[in-house]
Amino acid sequence: DAKTTQPPSMDCAEGRAANLPCNHSTISGNEYVYWYRQIHSQGPQYIIHGLKNNETNEMASLIITEDRKSSTLILPHATLRDTAVYYCIVRVGDSNYQLIWGAGTKLIIKP
Amino acid sequence: EAQVTQNPRYLITVTGKKLTVTCSQNMNHEYMSWYRQDPGLGLRQIYYSMNVEVTDKGDVPEGYKVSRKEKRNFPLILESPSPNQTSLYFCASSLGKSPLHFGNGTRLTVT
Repeated sequence: DAKTTQPPSMDCAEGRAANLPCNHSTISGNEYVYWYRQIHSQGPQYIIHGLKNNETNEMASLIITEDRKSSTLILPHATLRDTAVYYCIVRVGDSNYQLIWGAGTKLIIKP
Repeated sequence: EAQVTQNPRYLITVTGKKLTVTCSQNMNHEYMSWYRQDPGLGLRQIYYSMNVEVTDKGDVPEGYKVSRKEKRNFPLILESPSPNQTSLYFCASSLGKSPLHFGNGTRLTVT
C-alpha cells in the first residue's frame, strides 16, 4: 500500500487559504487520496477524496498532480476552528480496512 | 442523527480486570473497525469487520477481542488489560465505498 509524507506542522493566518501538501510517490492507479482531520482528540472527520481529477466540496478543494505523486488540500478561508491535525491517506479501491494513517500535519490557524 | 456511539468516553481500570468498550452505529453500515491512537502517532487498526459474523485482525490485534453478532454493534473486549493498552480508542464504520464515520473516542487508562 502506498504511504504518504506530510509536513509535521504548518501555520496559517485566519482568513487566508491554507494549503496542505502531501506526497504519495508510490501511489498505484486504483488508489484514492483521502483527507481527514482530527480536532483535539475527537474522532477524525472526513474532508474530501479524489482519484485523478481535482475535487471541491463545501469544506475544501483537493488538487492532485497529473502524475498523482502528490496532492494539496486547500482550505480557502481558514478559520480558528480549522486548527486540527490533517491526515492524507491513500486507499486501495473500495477497501477501508487497508488505510495507513501517518502522523498527519498539525495545522494552526493564527488570528 | 447518523452517528457512531462509543461508551464509555473515559475509563480507568487496573491490570487484569476484563473490560468491554461498546460501539454502536445507526447507519446500517456493513463495515466497522477499531483503532487505537497513541501520542504523536496516527491511528493503528486493531480489528475490523466486513459484516455480521465476519471479523479480521488489523495491525495491532494482540490483547484484544471483538465480536459482530449484529450489524449495529461491534464491542472491543480486553480480557486482561495491561498498562501498554493505555490509549485513545476509536470505533469507525462505513457503507460500501463511503468514507469512515468515527465515534468520539474512549480514553482508557490501565494502571
